[in-house]
Amino acid sequence: GQQLNQSPQSMFIQEGEDVSMNCTSSSIFNTWLWYKQDPGEGPVLLIALYKAGELTSNGRLTAQFGITRKDSFLNISASIPSDVGIYFCAGQLNSNTGKLIFGQGTTLQVKP
Amino acid sequence: DSGVTQTPKHLITATGQRVTLRCSPRSGDLSVYWYQQSLDQGLQFLIQYYNGEERAKGNILERFSAQQFPDLHSELNLSSLELGDSALYFCASSVASGKGGELFFGEGSRLTVL
Repeated sequence: GQQLNQSPQSMFIQEGEDVSMNCTSSSIFNTWLWYKQDPGEGPVLLIALYKAGELTSNGRLTAQFGITRKDSFLNISASIPSDVGIYFCAGQLNSNTGKLIFGQGTTLQVKP
Repeated sequence: DSGVTQTPKHLITATGQRVTLRCSPRSGDLSVYWYQQSLDQGLQFLIQYYNGEERAKGNILERFSAQQFPDLHSELNLSSLELGDSALYFCASSVASGKGGELFFGEGSRLTVL
């Protein structure tokens, strides 16, 4: 089936550092999304991107929808301890359904 | 709190058994989605219902079935359980169908098959 390649798989950084993660796909998506999952919780939407080339920010988070529509990246600036968690990219092929293809996740650990 | 409620939170059962997972969507949301999260497969889309009707289907096993009731709550039925069915099962909801992938996830039901 379709897969998203998300990297890196895990990151261990110092508080205050910037973080970057990305996703690539062999398929073209209509929408790219970034979710965060905390332990014992379900994924929570961080950013949604709807147009190729779109750059969107949400506080310290910035994400971009690649021009080819096959990739996306997420940057977190000035990381803080509560940024710890698993970050998932997700692509949506058909805007009429909620079928999302998820990446494998990037586990982020922040050292105070 | 996403507003999506799932029960039970934890379930332990034996192979060959059948279980039902329940989901109440956010107030006003018409679409309900079921996802499976396992260590080896990650988050996988199972099925979507919109206002009581099936809207999209993923790689859902024939042993699994779901439905959405008139009050919009949904149930996922898993039968003839196998060890490999052990996973976190998430329900999500949204106002419209798809809605740009902006889904609200519940806290999940953790199923352990022994």
